[in-house]
Amino acid sequence: KAGVTQTPRYLIKTRGQQVTLSCSPISGHRSVSWYQQTPGQGLQFLFEYFSETQRNKGNFPGRFSGRQFSNSRSEMNVSTLELGDSALYLCASSLYGSGTEAFFGQGTRLTVV
Amino acid sequence: QKEVEQNSGPLSVPEGAIASLNCTYSDRGSQSFFWYRQYSGKSPELIMSIYSNGDKEDGRFTAQLNKASQYVSLLIRDSQPSDSATYLCAVKGALTSYDKVIFGPGTSLSVIP
Repeated sequence: KAGVTQTPRYLIKTRGQQVTLSCSPISGHRSVSWYQQTPGQGLQFLFEYFSETQRNKGNFPGRFSGRQFSNSRSEMNVSTLELGDSALYLCASSLYGSGTEAFFGQGTRLTVV
Repeated sequence: QKEVEQNSGPLSVPEGAIASLNCTYSDRGSQSFFWYRQYSGKSPELIMSIYSNGDKEDGRFTAQLNKASQYVSLLIRDSQPSDSATYLCAVKGALTSYDKVIFGPGTSLSVIP
């Protein structure tokens, strides 16, 4: 059974640009959650999507957005990149959503220069 | 008060010993609790979930939950050098059924051969 797949694995972007990250959950899983991980802040929740609907959102500015498609694949977009957006972005897939066992992808390492 | 707290460590134990990792949380109504292991440069990997008071054992790992005291712990018996990693405690809030999962800052464990 394939795991959670995130693409790309690494990205280097310039301040002011925008970026789109992709996450394909485990087959059959309808929930995808996104997290930002930095050495100083740890794992911070961005948002959760379940069956194409955003169910929850963390305390991030509106530059961070996401969506989920009918096949449960999810994308996260960050506009007007700032240096502080450099982080490891992780997505986690679960069968029933928040509060049930979630499995992480390998992450996308974003560097903003 | 932070929502999920863990000792940052590093916690050092000799090979073969029991490693004890602790986590406290602030939301008294929380119902779902998870332990993840994260090796350096890798994504978090689910070790255990626990939902009811008491102990839950899986191989060398035992999770303990005490909702009255608002803490959850992870015991690792017969610790091995391969257990050296950061251990993340995650708690699902109870405000709504769609509440987000909050991660603690993690405890770094080092098992000394």
